[in-house]
Amino acid sequence: NAGVTQTPKFQVLKTGQSMTLQCAQDMNHNSMYWYRQDPGMGLRLIYYSASEGTTDKGEVPNGYNVSRLNKREFSLRLESAAPSQTSVYFCASRDRQGSNQPQHFGDGTRLSIL
Amino acid sequence: GQQLNQSPQSMFIQEGEDVSMNCTSSSIFNTWLWYKQDPGEGPVLLIALYKAGELTSNGRLTAQFGITRKDSFLNISASIPSDVGIYFCAGHSPGNQFYFGTGTSLTVIP
Repeated sequence: NAGVTQTPKFQVLKTGQSMTLQCAQDMNHNSMYWYRQDPGMGLRLIYYSASEGTTDKGEVPNGYNVSRLNKREFSLRLESAAPSQTSVYFCASRDRQGSNQPQHFGDGTRLSIL
Repeated sequence: GQQLNQSPQSMFIQEGEDVSMNCTSSSIFNTWLWYKQDPGEGPVLLIALYKAGELTSNGRLTAQFGITRKDSFLNISASIPSDVGIYFCAGHSPGNQFYFGTGTSLTVIP
């Protein structure tokens, strides 16, 4: 019962370094999402992939890129990390974009940029 | 982007007490969800609501979809220490994303 798996769980970067956060789901979901969670801000959508082969910007896409590698995997890349990107990053998936079915979340990646 | 107003921001209660929290929006939603997030983990779905006026229970948890479709409520009865965590609401309208509340942090004092 893995559900949504994120790696790594923790990471510390220096300003300007690059990094890719990995996400994989085993529920055969079509849609996948990347959120960031900051204190007092709730969850904010960075990018999403409605289906394999498509990606779209969310509310806060600047400084990030994504790749939907296949139906299972959706990665988030920071090309040049900035301290403002210190956050907890969550990947989520659901059956399909536009449906009212709930999203299922991974356990998060805690990222600190020094 | 839209953020839902969730209140209270934090609660400190004695074990055995009941808890109430709510979520409001300026937009109408067709779906309301309630999640719980334990420290160091991701949000886990507690209850999903799909119809205005709907009242749904999951053990000691009861949630309601407001009649106006702009609000939702979560109640926890007879709280226990493992209820500690952050509770999030989320609203959805067809074709759109889910929008999340800012969370209610619950502390249960044994």
